[in-house]
Amino acid sequence: QVQLVESGGGLVKPGGSLRLSCAASGFNFTDYYLSWIRQAPGKGLEWVSYISGSTSYTKYADSVKGRFTISRDNAKKSLYLQMSSLRVEDTALYYCARDRNDGIVGRYFDYWGQGTPVTVSS
Amino acid sequence: DIQMTQSPSTLSASVGDRVTITCRASQGISSWLAWYQQKPGKAPKVLIYRASRLESGVPSRFSGSGSGTEFTLTVSSLQPEDFATYYCQQYNSYPWTFGQGTKVEIK
Repeated sequence: QVQLVESGGGLVKPGGSLRLSCAASGFNFTDYYLSWIRQAPGKGLEWVSYISGSTSYTKYADSVKGRFTISRDNAKKSLYLQMSSLRVEDTALYYCARDRNDGIVGRYFDYWGQGTPVTVSS
Repeated sequence: DIQMTQSPSTLSASVGDRVTITCRASQGISSWLAWYQQKPGKAPKVLIYRASRLESGVPSRFSGSGSGTEFTLTVSSLQPEDFATYYCQQYNSYPWTFGQGTKVEIK
């Protein structure tokens, strides 16, 4: 069955860096776009970034553009999020999710990991 | 960015009740809308995509409708396991955006 397992979260000071990982299994990894989605404590969901399957085309939310970098290693079936210049407002539970194509451009999220927590605090 | 607004923010209901949650988009999104259910401490789970299509494995008591800017999620007969927070998400244009959530509580 499809599994997504995140790791790498933790406590970091403002301005610091952190690298999140997501190990995937149970599906043909290169066939799917993957996204990072975050949820601040007690708040709603915010899409952060996506990466395409084999061409590694990427896109970012304005709130993280220039600070976060999404990447993937198809041989290792792993997704990454390199986060730098972290801010207090980046504090959240970070989920990796599998994108499901629907329509020409659109995608929703059909499988999610359990999330890894990131806390940015001095 | 397209803003998604859900109402109500909180809904109190009893087992067996029919409940409806509304999601409004700040501009037209055709039918490119998904609904998710999230239980405390768990990841969201997709229920509905393309506004009205039931995701595989989701009970038929869940249904979705709407197009353009106004959408609804209906639970025909609320079950104990349905008490959760529900989110809508538009995927008409980037960035994909979510509603703020509707918490369905036990009355």
